[in-house]
Order: sequence, then C-alpha cells, then structure tokens
Amino acid sequence: QSVLTQPPSASGTPGQRVTISCSGSRSNIGSNTVNWYQQFPGAAPKFLIYNNNQRPSGVPDRFSGSKSGTSASLAISGLQSEDEADYYCAAWDDSLTGWVFGGGTKLTVL
Amino acid sequence: EVQLVESGGGLVQPGGSLRLSCTASGFTFSDYSMNWVRQAPGKGLEWVSYIRSSSSTIYYADSVKGRFTISRDNAKKSLYLQMNSLRAEDTAIYYCARESYGGTWEIDYWGQGTLVTVSS
Repeated sequence: QSVLTQPPSASGTPGQRVTISCSGSRSNIGSNTVNWYQQFPGAAPKFLIYNNNQRPSGVPDRFSGSKSGTSASLAISGLQSEDEADYYCAAWDDSLTGWVFGGGTKLTVL
Repeated sequence: EVQLVESGGGLVQPGGSLRLSCTASGFTFSDYSMNWVRQAPGKGLEWVSYIRSSSSTIYYADSVKGRFTISRDNAKKSLYLQMNSLRAEDTAIYYCARESYGGTWEIDYWGQGTLVTVSS
C-alpha cells in the first residue's frame, strides 16, 4: 500500500491529452513539492517534473504538472506512442521523514 | 555527465547479509545527499534510506530500520548499503539516487540498479 495514491492505469490515443492524479496528505503533498518520474520496462526511473510543475532540461513541454492542496496531477498533451511507460509521483513526507511514492500508473497509448 | 553505478547485488539466503555499493562520477559527490530506493519485481518504487552529504543525518524506512545501514565515503565518491537479516520481501532492484536542491529538494539522478534476490 503506497502512501501516495495513483490510478493503476491510464490510456489515450495519439494526440490526446491525458492526466494522472496523485493524492496524498498534509504531511507530504500538503507540505512539500511533488516530483514525477517516468520509467520504461527494464530501465531506471527518469526525472520528469520537479517542484510541482518544473521540467528538467530536455523534457518536452508536452509534460506538465500541477498541485493543489494534498493532490497533484501530471498532464501529457499531444500523446505519442513513446510516452507509453509507468509514471510515479513522489514527495518528501515530514511525518515519516522520508520520500514517499505513488504506486505508479501504467500509461497505454492505444 | 552524472553517473551512478551500483554493484554488490546477488542471491542470498534468508537471514543473510549483503553490502551494496554505488560509485558516483560526473559531479561533486560530497556536495549531495544520497538515497537508496528499491523496486520489488513488478511493483512500484519504495524509498529505503537517506544520507546527508556530510553523513550528519540519516533516515530509514520503517521496513528496514534496524537491519540496514547506509554510509558513504566522500573521498571514494561512494555510497553503501549494508543489509543484514535479509528477508524474502527485501527482494528487489536497489537504486542509488542523487538528491538535489534547486530551490526545492528532489531526487534527480538514478543509477541502473542492482538486483538483490533473497531466497533459499
């Protein structure tokens, strides 16, 4: 059972916009910023979004993040087949004094 | 280019021990806090442990507290995880991960991981 809650799956067709939600609590998302990671099968996670809505260098602007209260979202616009991957949200938890992750969302491009 | 290379994984019996290493390059290792994060087969990411750049602060997940010990050698640009009293549920890929501060804290770089299998 992950501390942050994500839907296990999401899907969309090429060109569509999809969103992935991430729900937490006051001690994690409510108090700290949210980061997002993309992971392909057999590979390490890749840094996708930090500070709720900032993109590291090299990440396409098709990826965007937002946060409100104790929830956050990742949006992918202009969906492409190469976006098919697992996506994880993460935040520092002040009560647990550690990083907490969502259970991951498997994105399928139909 | 930032690189993190883990080693030391393998097959170990329940109750056994293993020491993981992570060698860093491409950045000033002594300036950064580091973490271990694991991923059981087919499962999500689980944070394991954190160590500050100077080793002055260390945190553990409850699931490994008292069994695992994180440490680092800044001169050798290396991070370690000593794992004792291993259980089947510790079976996972273990990632070494760098933590950065660019106004906020985030884990920004990950190694390729090393697989630990606990089985008789």
